[in-house]
Amino acid sequence: DADVTQTPRNRITKTGKRIMLECSQTKGHDRMYWYRQDPGLGLRLIYYSFDVKDINKGEISDGYSVSRQAQAKFSLSLESAIPNQTALYFCATSVAGADTQYFGPGTRLTVL
Amino acid sequence: GDSVTQMEGPVTLSEEAFLTINCTYTATGYPSLFWYVQYPGEGLQLLLKATKADDKGSNKGFEATYRKETTSFHLEKGSVQVSDSAVYFCALDKAAGNKLTFGGGTRVLVKP
Repeated sequence: DADVTQTPRNRITKTGKRIMLECSQTKGHDRMYWYRQDPGLGLRLIYYSFDVKDINKGEISDGYSVSRQAQAKFSLSLESAIPNQTALYFCATSVAGADTQYFGPGTRLTVL
Repeated sequence: GDSVTQMEGPVTLSEEAFLTINCTYTATGYPSLFWYVQYPGEGLQLLLKATKADDKGSNKGFEATYRKETTSFHLEKGSVQVSDSAVYFCALDKAAGNKLTFGGGTRVLVKP
């Protein structure tokens, strides 16, 4: 079984809809991250959480919100989706004091 | 702010050819440097890393040396295989904050 899972893997939605992307991990890591990937731009950090009560904005948090329901779960919400939020979204985890991040398989989101 | 610049792709090679992907960075202090690889349909996974100047990271035949004087971390492999076809991302992590800054990614296609 994968250590970092994301649901759904693919989603097509319409402008103005609320969308939630979910991430779960069985690695026991305390830190979790949400990135979006756009062609030619690499991955950009949306939000990150160093523990359940510590949530921080990344470089492109506008239009997104997150919830850390438990150490193992970190959800990303788009309150009112817009077409330029069409992208590939990745969740990642890491351990405090270690520098390697572990990525989920990604969610491809299309906003029409 | 911190930034990572990679050569644009795609890079198309024949099997057994030599691969170089250039990466330069801008950051204050002494960041850790990483190469992550993304195989088709998968999330990113760590390929190699270096944490201080002149360190050489290596894995699966790939190598990269942390050059502080040229702020570079170029990725090399002496003889590529079709299975090396992927997108390669250079990244930095400053101050062990586990907040990665990624380059735009370089797509590599190896033909038999």
